[in-house]
Amino acid sequence: SQTIHQWPATLVQPVGSPLSLECTVEGTSNPNLYWYRQAAGRGLQLLFYSIGIDQISSEVPQNLSASRPQDRQFILSSKKLLLSDSGFYLCAWSRGTLLAKNIQYFGAGTRLSVL
Amino acid sequence: TQLLEQSPQFLSIQEGENLTVYCNSSSVFSSLQWYRQEPGEGPVLLVTVVTGGEVKKLKRLTFQFGDARKDSSLHITAAQPGDTGLYLCAGALTYNTDKLIFGTGTRLQVFP
Repeated sequence: SQTIHQWPATLVQPVGSPLSLECTVEGTSNPNLYWYRQAAGRGLQLLFYSIGIDQISSEVPQNLSASRPQDRQFILSSKKLLLSDSGFYLCAWSRGTLLAKNIQYFGAGTRLSVL
Repeated sequence: TQLLEQSPQFLSIQEGENLTVYCNSSSVFSSLQWYRQEPGEGPVLLVTVVTGGEVKKLKRLTFQFGDARKDSSLHITAAQPGDTGLYLCAGALTYNTDKLIFGTGTRLQVFP
């Protein structure tokens, strides 16, 4: 069966510090991978998605970047965090085929607080 | 920017009541999904609808996809405290099915 791991679960960082959130998927190959940010009690804002290694699309210009060093690993980074980067970050994967209808499976999320 | 507007944004009801959540857009979707999210966790898929006019039932939950595939509704019969959570609709656009557009969310609280 497929599993998705996202860490850390919570993170408190000072303004101006770097960020690295990691997400890995097990039990499948060549998944589509996604990073979302969610404001409290609201919908998900797509930040980045990747349909393959070296194929990363950025949805919202901002202080963040994403990388996919391996097929099933997706990393969200920042060189210098801003207060506005605080939020709940979610990683997700999908099978990336039309038959799969882009059903997405989510990690447990990372609560980031920038102080 | 494509938007999926959900209404209501918040809903507080007593156990046993019925409710309907709406998800509306001006865009056409190839498929539409409903997720439920508990606090501090990731969303979990409830259902996927694909065909215009399609109706799917999941126990006390009934999901409908609009005929034009631009909107959807979720109806819960005899709500229970276990139904409490954030409900999110999400659509896959016809011209780019690699990503989902998520709705603005409906927070449901069911009191015993």
